[in-house]
Amino acid sequence: ETGVTQSPTHLIKTRGQQVTLRCSSQSGHNTVSWYQQALGQGPQFIFQYYREEENGRGNFPPRFSGLQFPNYSSELNVNALELDDSALYLCASSGPGVSNEQYFGPGTRLTVT
Amino acid sequence: QQQVKQSPQSLIVQKGGISIINCAYENTAFDYFPWYQQFPGKGPALLIAIRPDVSEKKEGRFTISFNKSAKQFSLHIMDSQPGDSATYFCAATFLYSTLTFGKGTMLLVSP
Repeated sequence: ETGVTQSPTHLIKTRGQQVTLRCSSQSGHNTVSWYQQALGQGPQFIFQYYREEENGRGNFPPRFSGLQFPNYSSELNVNALELDDSALYLCASSGPGVSNEQYFGPGTRLTVT
Repeated sequence: QQQVKQSPQSLIVQKGGISIINCAYENTAFDYFPWYQQFPGKGPALLIAIRPDVSEKKEGRFTISFNKSAKQFSLHIMDSQPGDSATYFCAATFLYSTLTFGKGTMLLVSP
């Protein structure tokens, strides 16, 4: 186990709704990255937060937004849900300071109907 | 544009055999190459990683071979066990940036 936790485990939403996913990073880690993993695919980078500031963003529309809190936990918000947003959403933490080693949580399985 | 290409898509190996998964990358700025193991319903777990200044790294039954000139790297699992059955992802990154993943290889080790 990595010490990275995510909630909820599973979530079912309707198209057009909004969703908030949560992540608690491993103790001592100050960088959080979010990834989307579609079925049968590798994780795709959404964005990264370092010390509460967005530190990079992948090719995802603005309806994907995030926050990082002073305790380095993080939220991923998705507005106007689309069917293609159905995926496993993974949070990974790293640090302290600059580090390549990212440790993933178990993910949140989002289903959009 | 897929910056990290992984093959094969799936692999069946007998218990005790050697599993080999290959990856090729395009971006010569990449400077860190990890492999992740993912079981169904779980997040990816960091298995082993290498930097381009070495050609091989071994940890237990897992070995990464790295060919900088060919822009290729591979994972070798020696003495494969049924418990190794999982999906394996190669990835690459640079300057402590984000991970770019391959599409994954489903490994099945038959008893």
